[in-house]
Amino acid sequence: EDKVVQSPLSLVVHEGDTVTLNCSYEVTNFRSLLWYKQEKKAPTFLFMLTSSGIEKKSGRLSSILDKKELFSILNITATQTGDSAIYLCAVVSGGYQKVTFGTGTKLQVIP
Amino acid sequence: DVKVTQSSRYLVKRTGEKVFLECVQDMDHENMFWYRQDPGLGLRLIYFSYDVKMKEKGDIPEGYSVSREKKERFSLILESASTNQTSMYLCASSFPSYEQYFGPGTRLTVT
Repeated sequence: EDKVVQSPLSLVVHEGDTVTLNCSYEVTNFRSLLWYKQEKKAPTFLFMLTSSGIEKKSGRLSSILDKKELFSILNITATQTGDSAIYLCAVVSGGYQKVTFGTGTKLQVIP
Repeated sequence: DVKVTQSSRYLVKRTGEKVFLECVQDMDHENMFWYRQDPGLGLRLIYFSYDVKMKEKGDIPEGYSVSREKKERFSLILESASTNQTSMYLCASSFPSYEQYFGPGTRLTVT
């Protein structure tokens, strides 16, 4: 059974802190790994990673994939209250491109 | 802009009723997905479809069926609704190996 595990489950930080969110996976026939941000509505896409060691960056957010060790991290620097959300990791796998989500990390940024 | 729409934002049904949830996308995506999202459990894949009339079971297909007669439309059917199917239902679509786009969600309550 495909499995995606995120840690920590929740996190409270102060504005300006840097956070690292983790995602490990066990799937058959890995295709890609996706990160999403979910506020009080449907998830919105952040990054897609397919190759090991190549960092994807967007503003204060960055992410990297390690296909040998089967994990990815999402970094957020200089956090702001607007970063408060659930961050979801998902893995695409298999010939039919099944997508499996982790349970998410709930991030709360306090002023 | 990609648009994924779901037939209802909120739905209240009685135990034993047959329930149809519809999802329509306008980007000619091959893949479509149905998830349910519950607190602490994240997004769990119910069914997905990689082509018209094709479907694959996800991780929790019991009690659900799906229909994809046209490429843009993917329906989730609860044959006999039960209280444990009270949840937020999210539909998504994508090209294979690309990011998913989510609909706004349907909050279903079964009483």
